[in-house]
Amino acid sequence: QKEVEQNSGPLSVPEGAIASLNCTYSDRGSQSFFWYRQYSGKSPELIMSIYSNGDKEDGRFTAQLNKASQYVSLLIRDSQPSDSATYLCAGQSGGNNRLAFGKGNQVVVIP
Amino acid sequence: KAGVTQTPRYLIKTRGQQVTLSCSPISGHRSVSWYQQTPGQGLQFLFEYFSETQRNKGNFPGRFSGRQFSNSRSEMNVSTLELGDSALYLCASRIGTDNQPQHFGDGTRLSIL
Repeated sequence: QKEVEQNSGPLSVPEGAIASLNCTYSDRGSQSFFWYRQYSGKSPELIMSIYSNGDKEDGRFTAQLNKASQYVSLLIRDSQPSDSATYLCAGQSGGNNRLAFGKGNQVVVIP
Repeated sequence: KAGVTQTPRYLIKTRGQQVTLSCSPISGHRSVSWYQQTPGQGLQFLFEYFSETQRNKGNFPGRFSGRQFSNSRSEMNVSTLELGDSALYLCASRIGTDNQPQHFGDGTRLSIL
């Protein structure tokens, strides 16, 4: 089982809609989770950090963490064409503190 | 505050050669990690250094090696290059190794002919 999994295929959303991305993790000792955005041909850019159960909002982005169910999600409200990118979920392993990344989910916002 | 700086940005090598990539972390960051990214494979972890010591290592052959200097700058070396080593190599730094996010450089795109 992979440490961090993002299983959804490419996500197409109309402009102005909500994009919802999910990520599950296997290490119950994981304490910290991060979402990165990666535009084609560019490097990943940190957009959200979340450390405790519940929701964390930053502008149009909301990260949700549920440690009991071992999942992390990212909501993008009022999606814009500039949000079209691959979104990477990452969790810090409780054992060796290594950051484990999911394979990413591609989001396409259709004008 | 300057970000993570990777040099060179682009590199073309032939099979059998070796290559050294450089990474300067954000000022004050003592942890540096290296990743290989190829289409369809996602980010694959190579290794992480903290205070000149390798803290974690991924599942790559011994041809891939790295080191970190006292000023936290890091280098990654790949020897006996193979066609499959063509990839984007990303360096990321963070303050420490506990619950800190990593910040990525722009990467070095390595092409093997």
